[in-house]
This record gives sequence, C-alpha cells and structure tokens, in this order.
Amino acid sequence: GQNIDQPTEMTATEGAIVQINCTYQTSGFNGLFWYQQHAGEAPTFLSYNVLDGLEEKGRFSSFLSRSKGYSYLLLKELQMKDSASYLCAVSLNTGFQKLVFGTGTRLLVSP
Amino acid sequence: DGGITQSPKYLFRKEGQNVTLSCEQNLNHDAMYWYRQDPGQGLRLIYYSQIVNDFQKGDIAEGYSVSREKKESFPLTVTSAQKNPTAFYLCASNLNGRGMGGRELFFGEGSRLTVL
Repeated sequence: GQNIDQPTEMTATEGAIVQINCTYQTSGFNGLFWYQQHAGEAPTFLSYNVLDGLEEKGRFSSFLSRSKGYSYLLLKELQMKDSASYLCAVSLNTGFQKLVFGTGTRLLVSP
Repeated sequence: DGGITQSPKYLFRKEGQNVTLSCEQNLNHDAMYWYRQDPGQGLRLIYYSQIVNDFQKGDIAEGYSVSREKKESFPLTVTSAQKNPTAFYLCASNLNGRGMGGRELFFGEGSRLTVL
C-alpha cells in the first residue's frame, strides 16, 4: 500500500520560519510535490522534487531525501496569507501521472 | 486566461438522484483527473483520462461515471449507487508529459456536493 504522513496541524507566528515534514512509503517513486490549498479553494503548485537536495523558490524551499522517504517544506518570513493547508503528494511510477496525497497539514499563522 | 472551470460550485442533491459535475479546461492539456476530498483524508483519485475517448478507474470509482468526448471536457456523474457522495470534488489536468512541465497538476476551484 501507499502511505504518506504529515502532521495534521501546525501553528506559527508572523515573520517566523516553519518546517512541515512529510514521510512516505510508496511502491515506486517518481517525484514529490507540495501544494498549497486555502480553505474551499483549489490546490496550487508550490514545488516539485525528484532528486535529493534542497530546492529554493523565494520564501519557500523544499527538501527531499529519497533514501529516507522524507521531505520537508520550509516557509520563511511567514505572512498571514500563508495560513492554509499544505499537501504533500508522491508521484508513482505508473503509465500516467498518479499522485498519492497525504492528508495535508493545516498551518495557522498568528500575528 | 487559461484555466480549469468547474460548475456548479455548490450543489445539493436528494438521495437517489444522479448529479453531473462539469469540468472544462482551456489549457490544451491531454490528461484530466477527478479527485474527491474529505475532511481528514488526502485527495483520492476517482477517474482519470489520458486522451480523448479513453478513461480509467482510479482508486474509488464505484458509484461514479465519466466521459471524455472532447479534449476540453471531463464531466463526472455521481450516481445514486455512490453510498457517501457528500464531499468536495476537484477536477485537475496536466500535459501528461514526462518532464516536469508535464507533471504539474492544475486544479479547478472545486464543487461541493451535499446530499440531503
């Protein structure tokens, strides 16, 4: 079976740094995605990692270790608008783009 | 602007009724997907289509049906056979390519179905 684990909820303060972890155990691996989803809205793409290491994109960075089945999303200089759910999704080795999603981490940013 | 349009945004249905959710994309993407999102659970794949006139069951296809007669359109019908249809439904698409540019999923705004 496929298993992706993320914390259910995290809280942080405006201006701070937060790290959201994701561990996975899947049959096949073809990359890992992070999506941001505000309540009642569509998920939007944040990052994609297929090789080990850190990918930085502005205030957001994503890290992957394939040997450990582990990824994290790092958010710096937190803003109130970053309050959202963050979805970790693993792309499997299939004939199509099959994503297996974690349950998502709800991040609450307070002033 | 290119994107994915889902309608209706909110829908109420009585038990025993079928309902169809619309999904249209003007991104010229080959592949389209339907996901279901429930509280406390990750997105789960219902159906997907890689090309016109072809579609495949995902992980939770029972009680649902789809069609792909046009590249732009991938409607989902929630039938009376679906035992627990109340959920948030998300349509997505991508190029279906092998490079990164083909992998990213673009999502619609979602349709929230409530069965009364």
